[in-house]
Amino acid sequence: GAVVSQHPSRVICKSGTSVKIECRSLDFQATTMFWYRQFPKKSLMLMATSNEGSKATYEQGVEKDKFLINHASLTLSTLTVTSAHPEDSSFYICSARGPRLADFYNEQFFGPGTRLTVL
Amino acid sequence: RKEVEQDPGPFNVPEGATVAFNCTYSNSASQSFFWYRQDCRKEPKLLMSVYSSGNEDGRFTAQLNRASQYISLLIRDSKLSDSATYLCVVNSPGNQFYFGTGTSLTVIP
Repeated sequence: GAVVSQHPSRVICKSGTSVKIECRSLDFQATTMFWYRQFPKKSLMLMATSNEGSKATYEQGVEKDKFLINHASLTLSTLTVTSAHPEDSSFYICSARGPRLADFYNEQFFGPGTRLTVL
Repeated sequence: RKEVEQDPGPFNVPEGATVAFNCTYSNSASQSFFWYRQDCRKEPKLLMSVYSSGNEDGRFTAQLNRASQYISLLIRDSKLSDSATYLCVVNSPGNQFYFGTGTSLTVIP
């Protein structure tokens, strides 16, 4: 099956530092990846849609200069939380969409998530 | 109006019970529908896709009602291990995925 990895799984950092999270599709090419965040006992909130080779599309209210997304290859997207603050502490999850023409094109495959704690 | 609406619950049911969740969507042109399961502090995992004709996988049955714009998930003979949050996901014609807020299920011994 389609596997998506995410690294790191957990990070603790000081306020003001930047944190990079990687999302990789391991056995398929993902032209589209999604970044979500989830607060405790809340639903997933889509932050941005990342298409390979183009700029990410951010959801309303998500600061693109704070959450930098790069989707440089068909198997890798990165999210960088710049100048992180305690309110950025959350569970960040990426997902990858199946490749076009594949049976699973309309499915999303989620990474295991990254738990960010900003002190 | 939200793209996808779901009763957050919580649903607390005894083991062996049958429980059903509904999820409504606003865009009549939506194309694909899914149920995901999310355990606490874990990522969502696909439970099943929802087909127009309805589909069943063991104790789980998913149905789509395009006329009324809702999808449903029925769980029969609930197990303790079914306790989780169930998310409905709708894929719109613009290739956007919309998540419901999730329905929390706790199966009680």
